[in-house]
Amino acid sequence: QKEVEQNSGPLSVPEGAIASLNCTYSDRGSQSFFWYRQYSGKSPELIMSIYSNGDKEDGRFTAQLNKASQYVSLLIRDSQPSDSATYLCAANDMRFGAGTRLTVKP
Amino acid sequence: EAGVAQSPRYKIIEKRQSVAFWCNPISGHATLYWYQQILGQGPKLLIQFQNNGVVDDSQLPKDRFSAERLKGVDSTLKIQPAKLEDSAVYLCASSFGRGYTFGSGTRLTVV
Repeated sequence: QKEVEQNSGPLSVPEGAIASLNCTYSDRGSQSFFWYRQYSGKSPELIMSIYSNGDKEDGRFTAQLNKASQYVSLLIRDSQPSDSATYLCAANDMRFGAGTRLTVKP
Repeated sequence: EAGVAQSPRYKIIEKRQSVAFWCNPISGHATLYWYQQILGQGPKLLIQFQNNGVVDDSQLPKDRFSAERLKGVDSTLKIQPAKLEDSAVYLCASSFGRGYTFGSGTRLTVV
């Protein structure tokens, strides 16, 4: 059974802090990974994709992939209250983790 | 670019009734997914289509759920008969290659 696991949280950080979200996966054949953000009552929206080992930066977001250790992480710098949402990790077979709920407190 | 269209947005039915959801993916997107998202959980993949062929339906409860994608475009997901535990949001997503776009979902309540 291919699994994607996330620490379910919830995670709470103060405004301006770095939020760190983690995801592990069981299928060593997975090649690409996606981070989605889901606001309450809304559909998931893609915020980052990563295909190679290392870091990928996009604005305040940095995705990190370590295929040897089978984990993916998402860092959100200078966290804002508007970042408060559930963050979902998915592998290329589009199976999702349970999500981590992030709250950024003003 | 128009997004992924889903209908209806909301549906309330009694247990043992049947229900159908419709999805129109982004034009040209060959891959289409149906997910079930129960409140507080991540989306659970039900079925994946590539054009009009099924790629993965291993998590689809086939005794009550069915899905089709005629002509490789629109897709319908049906539940018959519905159970209380089917209450969830049913999400459709489509993809051209990398990156997947979700529709607004259908919120199903079974009473």
